[in-house]
Amino acid sequence: NAGVTQTPKFQVLKTGQSMTLQCAQDMNHNSMYWYRQDPGMGLRLIYYSASEGTTDKGEVPNGYNVSRLNKREFSLRLESAAPSQTSVYFCASRGGLNYGYTFGSGTRLTVV
Amino acid sequence: KQEVTQIPAALSVPEGENLVLNCSFTDSAIYNLQWFRQDPGKGLTSLLLIQSSQREQTSGRLNASLDKSSGRSTLYIAASQPGDSATYLCAVRGDSNYQLIWGAGTKLIIKP
Repeated sequence: NAGVTQTPKFQVLKTGQSMTLQCAQDMNHNSMYWYRQDPGMGLRLIYYSASEGTTDKGEVPNGYNVSRLNKREFSLRLESAAPSQTSVYFCASRGGLNYGYTFGSGTRLTVV
Repeated sequence: KQEVTQIPAALSVPEGENLVLNCSFTDSAIYNLQWFRQDPGKGLTSLLLIQSSQREQTSGRLNASLDKSSGRSTLYIAASQPGDSATYLCAVRGDSNYQLIWGAGTKLIIKP
């Protein structure tokens, strides 16, 4: 089925460890996004990529880096994980300006 | 700064009732508004997308309306079913390419 695929679905890290969250979409969308969702705070934008080859900071970029590897793939990297980064991470993509967003199923990350 | 509010935060109704979920926003200069559904531990499923030039959108038992001048959108669910139980989120897209402002959601429980 067409959509946004995220891996892994669950991950536990120790403080200071690094990891990369993977996201791929097969809808030929130009724009891709990384959000985090925390209880009581709603979704917050971490980074986005308006098109292949470009990335920009969102609302909460500190502690994260991203790579738009090609049009399909947009990865999120935590270089040195902190307990404050315990959250559920969602990747999303969007076609043209008149189109809505399609979300992946999320990665539940716990940093201990 | 755009703010999106969803009231009530939680709603519990008997099966079969028609119900309305509310979403309000402070800045009427929006590009579009999207309603999502989120099941526990799952990702977000797009329900309806309303462009700023539209007044309403319908999909099955769902009808979403948009009144830009008053800064309001409603999601009407007809003949509610237990399978409709989920958290419903609205998100407003402003003029910039990435800006998507989220409400905190309404947790809906449909009692059999």
